[in-house]
Amino acid sequence: NAGVMQNPRHLVRRRGQEARLRCSPMKGHSHVYWYRQLPEEGLKFMVYLQKENIIDESGMPKERFSAEFPKEGPSILRIQQVVRGDSAAYFCASSPVGADTQYFGPGTRLTVL
Amino acid sequence: DAKTTQPPSMDCAEGRAANLPCNHSTISGNEYVYWYRQIHSQGPQYIIHGLKNNETNEMASLIITEDRKSSTLILPHATLRDTAVYYCIAYPNTGKLIFGQGTTLQVKP
Repeated sequence: NAGVMQNPRHLVRRRGQEARLRCSPMKGHSHVYWYRQLPEEGLKFMVYLQKENIIDESGMPKERFSAEFPKEGPSILRIQQVVRGDSAAYFCASSPVGADTQYFGPGTRLTVL
Repeated sequence: DAKTTQPPSMDCAEGRAANLPCNHSTISGNEYVYWYRQIHSQGPQYIIHGLKNNETNEMASLIITEDRKSSTLILPHATLRDTAVYYCIAYPNTGKLIFGQGTTLQVKP
């Protein structure tokens, strides 16, 4: 059973560009969570999604960030007009049912030049 | 969500048991005790969780005190690959895991 997959693993963007991070949950999992880890800091919750629904987005920055988990395909975390402060590791996790044990992917490391 | 307190760092000799403590004195009745670890900069890895009873799996054992105010994660025979940051989390199953600073475990040869 393949684990949570994230791509790309490394992403480089220039200031002002858009970043799209993808997360494919484990097979049979319909709940996805996104976390961010800034350099030398802890992991911070961003958003919790179920298929076609945002359950909790209390950790999402108010501007430029959005997330979706469509009926078909991976979950997408989108960052518009990236700034240097967005440079971080972004981790996705999934669970089979709501708010159950979360299994994490390897992360996407975003570097903004 | 209940706050957890962990020592910032610990050392353990390879082959010996590593006992990682966690205080969660304000834990509520519906909050589980979860343990994750993060090796270098990899994605967090789930280790074990429990509510009231002690739990054991292929990776570790979790001992929760009767009053649930503290717990201990036990890695029975630590190896160099167990060097990581270990996070203890009081989780009410809301979907939001709150990670603290964790304990950096250094396993030494």
